[in-house]
Amino acid sequence: DTGVSQDPRHKITKRGQNVTFRCDPISEHNRLYWYRQTLGQGPEFLTYFQNEAQLEKSRLLSDRFSAERPKGSFSTLEIQRTEQGDSAMYLCASSLGWDLSSYNEQFFGPGTRLTVL
Amino acid sequence: AQTVTQSQPEMSVQEAETVTLSCTYDTSESDYYLFWYKQPPSRQMILVIRQEAYKQQNATENRFSVNFQKAAKSFSLKISDSQLGDAAMYFCAYRSLPPSMNRDDKIIFGKGTRLHILP
Repeated sequence: DTGVSQDPRHKITKRGQNVTFRCDPISEHNRLYWYRQTLGQGPEFLTYFQNEAQLEKSRLLSDRFSAERPKGSFSTLEIQRTEQGDSAMYLCASSLGWDLSSYNEQFFGPGTRLTVL
Repeated sequence: AQTVTQSQPEMSVQEAETVTLSCTYDTSESDYYLFWYKQPPSRQMILVIRQEAYKQQNATENRFSVNFQKAAKSFSLKISDSQLGDAAMYFCAYRSLPPSMNRDDKIIFGKGTRLHILP
């Protein structure tokens, strides 16, 4: 297992276009998270899944954003009608579920850098 | 809502010297996790060190140690014997503890401190 992978690594699009990113978590991890990191800032939480269920969504996740994890394995994040303000690094992370007896670390992928022209 | 503040946008340290990065946070919770993450240029985020708030002993990981002051809500990172490979963005971060087992599972990050290592 090589860790969390994300595809594509870079995406350049024109304003108004739709884009979709993919995240493949570490194979046994049932939790998957999406974060957004703009230039000079720390990552900000967008949403997370436990298996295929989307359990929490940030107010940052406007109605132009949709995330899915249909079979509880990989996840996709789609942005419709992109805006220049959507330009950012989109990070995915995965972890095992909560275990009161031990800490389950979130492992991060390399990110997808989106540039909206 | 929890917040994490890093007031040092950039710092520099001479190779082999010691540097301390500062972080303060705000929360009404009594139990939680605090972290320092490292993000090298064009590389992925990795966990450097973790502190459980219910533990009084400060965490250490080789050359990395923290000074956790719960009452002051302060959480600094000390890097000893700095090496060129330590150059990166460092993020202080917070995560709630269970019993939010099905909700509120997110990491809250500060804005980061860029650390330069001078040869």
